[in-house]
Amino acid sequence: EPEVTQTPSHQVTQMGQEVILRCVPISNHLYFYWYRQILGQKVEFLVSFYNNEISEKSEIFDDQFSVERPDGSNFTLKIRSTKLEDSAMYFCASRGVSRGEKLFFGSGTQLSVL
Amino acid sequence: DAKTTQPTSMDCAEGRAANLPCNHSTISGNEYVYWYRQIHSQGPQYIIHGLKNNETNEMASLIITEDRKSSTLILPHATLRDTAVYYCIVRPNFGNEKLTFGTGTRLTIIP
Repeated sequence: EPEVTQTPSHQVTQMGQEVILRCVPISNHLYFYWYRQILGQKVEFLVSFYNNEISEKSEIFDDQFSVERPDGSNFTLKIRSTKLEDSAMYFCASRGVSRGEKLFFGSGTQLSVL
Repeated sequence: DAKTTQPTSMDCAEGRAANLPCNHSTISGNEYVYWYRQIHSQGPQYIIHGLKNNETNEMASLIITEDRKSSTLILPHATLRDTAVYYCIVRPNFGNEKLTFGTGTRLTIIP
């Protein structure tokens, strides 16, 4: 079965530093998502992306966050100045263009902000 | 999005059928019922989805009541690897169709 690939699997950074989390969605998918999960809490929606623009974002997705599809294969999440509370598992997901298509999730990047 | 209600936790003996209930009494006509699971801290994994008919695939069966206000996910022969958090999600069939996760049911398979 095709897979969504996320790198790195673990990222440790100092508070205030910028981080970029990378995702390679499934090749023919056109909708892309980022979610996060703080330890012991729910999986939370951050942002969805389609046709090279954000289609929806949550309250969590403030000015410190940005997403980009820099080329035909990668989808990135950037956090400009990390805070301690950004420590979480970040999941990328993608789906095809037809209505009702299921989301495929990557295995996640564990971000630790020290 | 319509809300769902699931038991916080359940146990099931290995080899038996695991039946996970979900209430979604405010579901609307264009919303599907999706089930995902999350094993430990891995990414959520799709299991099955349906609109109003019962569905079956290689992983599970989904039984949706006639009024669509509740559903049951059935894992026919549970194994230890089925220990996970199971999420019942009602998802609109329009817009960007994001998934909104609740707290799910923590299913533990007992050897």
